[in-house]
Amino acid sequence: RKEVEQDPGPFNVPEGATVAFNCTYSNSASQSFFWYRQDCRKEPKLLMSVYSSGNEDGRFTAQLNRASQYISLLIRDSKLSDSATYLCVVNTNAGKSTFGDGTTLTVKP
Amino acid sequence: DAGITQSPRHKVTETGTPVTLRCHQTENHRYMYWYRQDPGHGLRLIHYSYGVKDTDKGEVSDGYSVSRSKTEDFLLTLESATSSQTSVYFCAIIAEMGNEQFFGPGTRLTVL
Repeated sequence: RKEVEQDPGPFNVPEGATVAFNCTYSNSASQSFFWYRQDCRKEPKLLMSVYSSGNEDGRFTAQLNRASQYISLLIRDSKLSDSATYLCVVNTNAGKSTFGDGTTLTVKP
Repeated sequence: DAGITQSPRHKVTETGTPVTLRCHQTENHRYMYWYRQDPGHGLRLIHYSYGVKDTDKGEVSDGYSVSRSKTEDFLLTLESATSSQTSVYFCAIIAEMGNEQFFGPGTRLTVL
């Protein structure tokens, strides 16, 4: 079993749709959590950190459930420009990260 | 912008030849990382460094070595390249706050 698992996708949604991605992690000692976005043939870029209290950045909302070892990302009012691969990242101790394999989102007109 | 550059950006080489990839950062970050990214495997850690001359192995370190003789440069060497090392290689650093990683633009390596 992988340390970090994501919905395999791909997700194909129309513009304006709401879409949710899920991620589970196996190491209960994990300390910090992130969502990254990766465009085709580009480097991953930080989308947002994930906090236990949940956090929101415009159309994006991230949630963390430590008891269930589960992270989610919600995108509201999807735009064409949201099309990308979304990576869940878990840091288990200072200095090391484990990446999920990513979920691909395609937003269509 | 975390000031990370990688060189070369693209390289084609032959099986058995040595290859060195360079990661350069301008902001004096302590932690530096080398990952490879392949379809179906996501990002996998090859080696990382937590200071000058301090390095450790990641999950896919076989066939790779690294060196960090100064803070700003982290070198990844394939002593004798194989076709299985054809991949996209990303360097990353951890910023001082929050432990989020910032990535370089990547190097596309093809081993024929």
